[in-house]
Amino acid sequence: EDQVTQSPEALRLQEGESSSLNCSYTVSGLRGLFWYRQDPGKGPEFLFTLYSAGEEKEKERLKATLTKKESFLHITAPKPEDSATYLCAAAQGGSEKLVFGKGTKLTVNP
Amino acid sequence: DTEVTQTPKHLVMGMTNKKSLKCEQHMGHRAMYWYKQKAKKPPELMFVYSYEKLSINESVPSRFSPECPNSSLLNLHLHALQPEDSALYLCASSQTQGPYEQYFGPGTRLTVT
Repeated sequence: EDQVTQSPEALRLQEGESSSLNCSYTVSGLRGLFWYRQDPGKGPEFLFTLYSAGEEKEKERLKATLTKKESFLHITAPKPEDSATYLCAAAQGGSEKLVFGKGTKLTVNP
Repeated sequence: DTEVTQTPKHLVMGMTNKKSLKCEQHMGHRAMYWYKQKAKKPPELMFVYSYEKLSINESVPSRFSPECPNSSLLNLHLHALQPEDSALYLCASSQTQGPYEQYFGPGTRLTVT
């Protein structure tokens, strides 16, 4: 069965304290691995798509990487406005469905 | 432009009411999705339309009825809902031939009383 597991469930950081979020997946024929940011009561905001192992994408303080079994979202020198729930999702080849992880709730304290 | 719009933002309805949620995108995407999201849970897929045809129905109760009038619009008709149907309803769209990332709208917060 296709699965996406995110860890930790919650993470508290001080402003400027860098860290990483983990997304491990077991999806046959991975078509893409996606990262989203979601603020409370709002729709998920697309961040990155990763297609193949070794691929990296960056946007401001965020960097996403992909291996054959997991993806990491690295947050460098986070700010309070980076506080949100970060969702990881995988797309299986031949399917329009996304398999979502349960998310990591990130809180960055000033 | 990567915008998906949804109306209304908030909806309160009784269990005997009939209402509709609306979604629109102008990105030329040919796949559109309805999701239901409960608090502190990831989005849960309900329906997928591909080229205006229903391609996935995740065994959703018949009190939810989707409609895709054209490639830019997606509706979700609601009838005789239950209080447990209260949730954030999200619409998303994507290309069908890649890249496959889905772009989400802001959602409709539905409360069933």
